Amino acid sequence: QKEVEQNSGPLSVPEGAIASLNCTYSDRVSQSFFWYRQYSGKSPELIMSIYSNGDKEDGRFTAQLNKASQYVSLLIRDSQPSDSATYLCAVNRGSGYALNFGKGTSLLVTP
Amino acid sequence: SAVISQKPSRDICQRGTSLTIQCQVDSQVTMMFWYRQQPGQSLTLIATANQGSEATYESGFVIDKFPISRPNLTFSTLTVSNMSPEDSSIYLCSVVAENANTGELFFGEGSRLTVL
Repeated sequence: QKEVEQNSGPLSVPEGAIASLNCTYSDRVSQSFFWYRQYSGKSPELIMSIYSNGDKEDGRFTAQLNKASQYVSLLIRDSQPSDSATYLCAVNRGSGYALNFGKGTSLLVTP
Repeated sequence: SAVISQKPSRDICQRGTSLTIQCQVDSQVTMMFWYRQQPGQSLTLIATANQGSEATYESGFVIDKFPISRPNLTFSTLTVSNMSPEDSSIYLCSVVAENANTGELFFGEGSRLTVL
């Protein structure tokens, strides 16, 4: 069973701080990595994708990938209360498009 | 990204009955998937909906319980058959947008089923 592991949290950070979310995966064949945000009662929303080792920045979000360590992370700078949600790490399965998801990390940004 | 509409958005069902969920996409898509999200859990892939042929089911999911149709590139249905309380979940339709050869997956709003 190919797995995607995340700390369930909750991760609590004060407003304006950096939130750091981590994910490890077991399938060395995976090439595509995604972070989704899911608000309570809503469906997942794609916020970042990353395919190569290193960092990818998009606004306040930075995704980091280390394939050798099978590790993906998401940094959220200047965290806002509206960032409070569950963040799901997802990894493609083998050479296909279907994704395996982690259980998600709950983030709480306190004013 | 594609606009994905699901119906019903939520329903309360009786044990032993069946319910069909519809997924409509505003553009033609090749790859379409059905996921399940049980309470407090992450997303689990049920099957890949194949246009014009039988769906490809994941381990633990069978066609008799979750029959899927995909008559064209914009529409699919998932039926949850002979429901039990364990089937209470959010069922999500998802697609890979055709202009995104990056494998990005987008989700419908989900169908929240409660089985009594």
